Amino acid sequence: DAGVIQSPRHEVTEMGQEVTLRCKPISGHNSLFWYRQTMMRGLELLIYFNNNVPIDDSGMPEDRFSAKMPNASFSTLKIQPSEPRDSAVYFCASSLRQSISNEQFFGPGTRLTVL
Amino acid sequence: AQKVTQAQTEISVVEKEDVTLDCVYETRDTTYYLFWYKQPPSGELVFLIRRNSFDEQNEISGRYSWNFQKSTSSFNFTITASQVVDSAVYFCALSGGGGGNKLTFGTGTQLKVEL
Repeated sequence: DAGVIQSPRHEVTEMGQEVTLRCKPISGHNSLFWYRQTMMRGLELLIYFNNNVPIDDSGMPEDRFSAKMPNASFSTLKIQPSEPRDSAVYFCASSLRQSISNEQFFGPGTRLTVL
Repeated sequence: AQKVTQAQTEISVVEKEDVTLDCVYETRDTTYYLFWYKQPPSGELVFLIRRNSFDEQNEISGRYSWNFQKSTSSFNFTITASQVVDSAVYFCALSGGGGGNKLTFGTGTQLKVEL
């Protein structure tokens, strides 16, 4: 059974460019989460969806960040325009349902470098 | 607001030593779950264990054991007879009713197991 799939695994871009990160959750999972990991701030929740609907986007740092989930099997996180301080590892995770008991399963992450 | 504190930034042990990773949490919820995740050098986050706030029974699973004490708001994780493959960053996380099924992560403890 496939786990959470993220693409690309690595992305190097220049400041000002648009970046789109992609995620395919585990089939049958109803909750999807986007996290960012940096040395300075650790693991931060950016946004999460339940049944394709954004529930909490309070962690999205700025209007430059946007996330969509057009269907149950696909989500995107877009940064436009990108800045060097956006450099981080971005993780997508999914869980079976909206329940505090459900563990989250993480993808391998996308390492983003903005020059 | 929920908070998870992992005071140990880095721990180094020699193989076969036992090691305990500390986790202290804060929450106003009466029902919540605690989790431990492992992040090996390859970067992915791997779910290890989940414990709910009503279950203070400690558990042993192979070389791993967990000590949950509600009175001190602690959820410590012990590895017995550590191995080099245990080298990783270990994260403690908290979910709760007020926060939905999103997780609040600690800052992580880097465990280095040397020969």
